[in-house]
Amino acid sequence: AQSVAQPEDQVNVAEGNPLTVKCTYSVSGNPYLFWYVQYPNRGLQFLLKYITGDNLVKGSYGFEAEFNKSQTSFHLKKPSALVSDSALYFCAVRSRTSGTYKYIFGTGTRLKVLA
Amino acid sequence: SAVISQKPSRDICQRGTSLTIQCQVDSQVTMMFWYRQQPGQSLTLIATANQGSEATYESGFVIDKFPISRPNLTFSTLTVSNMSPEDSSIYLCSVEDWGGALTDTQYFGPGTRLTVL
Repeated sequence: AQSVAQPEDQVNVAEGNPLTVKCTYSVSGNPYLFWYVQYPNRGLQFLLKYITGDNLVKGSYGFEAEFNKSQTSFHLKKPSALVSDSALYFCAVRSRTSGTYKYIFGTGTRLKVLA
Repeated sequence: SAVISQKPSRDICQRGTSLTIQCQVDSQVTMMFWYRQQPGQSLTLIATANQGSEATYESGFVIDKFPISRPNLTFSTLTVSNMSPEDSSIYLCSVEDWGGALTDTQYFGPGTRLTVL
């Protein structure tokens, strides 16, 4: 079965420090992996995706993610955190089932950037 | 990315009533989806809204409780029927356009926050 795991419910980081939000996946075949961010009382915003190619993917707001096939991971990173990065982050994998696609979301990680 | 709007943005309803949520996209898209999200928690897919045919429901969700319409490639509705407090959630519409400009990525609307008393 296809799945995504976000092992940390919450990550705290000081402003200006690098941040990492972890994601591991389990899929058959080549994975399509995504990161979304959700600010309070808002929908999900697309940050970045990995489909193929370079393992380091750059996205919106200075975020990047590294695809690691051997570790089945797709961790989200940013070199220098901002207080405004505080939000709920979701990792997702696109799964093909019965001729259609579905997205499977992780449980989410709340990022808190401290001033 | 697509511009997706949802109406209403929030509502407070009495148990036993029904609420219809609208989702409008600014361009034609192949796929439209409906999700439910408990505040601060993950997303659960309710169904895929198919244009011109019945929606495809996920396990645990049925058409009588969550009827869905998709009359064209830019619009869909989700009705939450005979509501109970357990239906209090955020309902999110999302889209993906296979083979088009929005291919391989799902984009989300702002959500509808529903509270059932």
